[in-house]
Formats: sequence, C-alpha cells, structure tokens
Amino acid sequence: NAGVTQTPKFQVLKTGQSMTLQCAQDMNHNSMYWYRQDPGMGLRLIYYSASEGTTDKGEVPNGYNVSRLNKREFSLRLESAAPSQTSVYFCASSDWAEETQYFGPGTRLLVL
Amino acid sequence: ILNVEQSPQSLHVQEGDSTNFTCSFPSSNFYALHWYRWETAKSPEALFVMTLNGDEKKKGRISATLNTKEGYSYLYIKGSQPEDSATYLCALSSGGSNYKLTFGKGTLLTVNP
Repeated sequence: NAGVTQTPKFQVLKTGQSMTLQCAQDMNHNSMYWYRQDPGMGLRLIYYSASEGTTDKGEVPNGYNVSRLNKREFSLRLESAAPSQTSVYFCASSDWAEETQYFGPGTRLLVL
Repeated sequence: ILNVEQSPQSLHVQEGDSTNFTCSFPSSNFYALHWYRWETAKSPEALFVMTLNGDEKKKGRISATLNTKEGYSYLYIKGSQPEDSATYLCALSSGGSNYKLTFGKGTLLTVNP
C-alpha cells in the first residue's frame, strides 16, 4: 500500500517549457488535490477533483491545468512554465467519509 | 481568501517541557478545522479533524481544542520530545465541505534534548 505517489521527485525546466506532474493513489479515495508550497506562504490549493470526472479551481489556478485520468490518477500540467512557478508541489487525496487529506512526498520544481 | 493565522511562527523548548500554540480563523461559514504535523523532508500527516465547538481531541501526548464561536484552536504537546520537532499546520475548511482547505503558515517547533 504505497499511499499517494508523485513523479518526478525533482525537475528543472526552462521558462516556456511544458511538463506534467503525475500523482496516483491506491487508497480508493474519491477526492484528489494539488497544492504548492512556497517559503512564507504555506500550502495553497491549485486545483482539486472532488470525484472522478470533476475538477475545480482552488486558490491559485492560473498557469495550470489538471486532468483526473481515472479514480487513481490526477495530473497537473504546466503549459508554459514561468519562474514564478518554482515551488514544491504536493498531491493529496481524501475519502469523503474520513475527510482527512493524505499527502504525497512532493515534487520540487525549479524554473529557470 | 480566508485568513488563517498561526502563532507563534517558531518555538524552541527543552525536552520535557509542555507547550501550546494557536490557530485563529474566521468563524463565519465554519465547517472543520484540521491539524497536521509536517516533519522536515516528509509529507504533512493529519493529526486531528475537529468540527464541533468545544471539541477536544487527543493522540498520545498531543491534544487540541476548538472554539468555533471565537475562531481559534489550541494544540498542546505534553512533555515534548525531540521527535516532536516539526512544523504544525492548521487548516480551515468552510462552505460545507472539506474540499477547499486554507492552510496557516505553520508553527515550527524545535525540541532540544
């Protein structure tokens, strides 16, 4: 039981490049989330998926797109990376009944 | 955007000391208050989810209280140990669901042996 997994762990991009961050969970959770964590800012919600087939914007969605590929997987795409998107990205999942969110190990992204 | 404040920002205590810190939040439209523990180089781990005014929850030496009317929650650690060193985050959910969590910036606790 791996919980929430994220790939890659670390990535360096040049401004304007695109990439997709992958997230998968094996806990049969209905809801999944993408956060970014910046120094002095705390965790901020980018997008979430309350259930398979739905996605909604969080606090800081600009510059990102998401896909809930199936119940297990929720990806985050940067179409044209900018230095302001340098951050640590966390994926999380939760079950409706439990309400606690379980976090993945994070992806550290550096945009030059 | 909701304002969730945590104080202090950081705290140094000696092993064996008891300590507490605060999470303040707007009380309108409250749904739940979450506490997480975040060790360096790891992912945040859930401690408590609290929903009712007056709620008290306990896990080992860590406990939390909730006052939804005045908009605050306290986290207490009794007899701190070096392994308690971590950042403690609180997060507010509102609007009738736990989908959108607004996190505070956390309290960094360092327990010196």
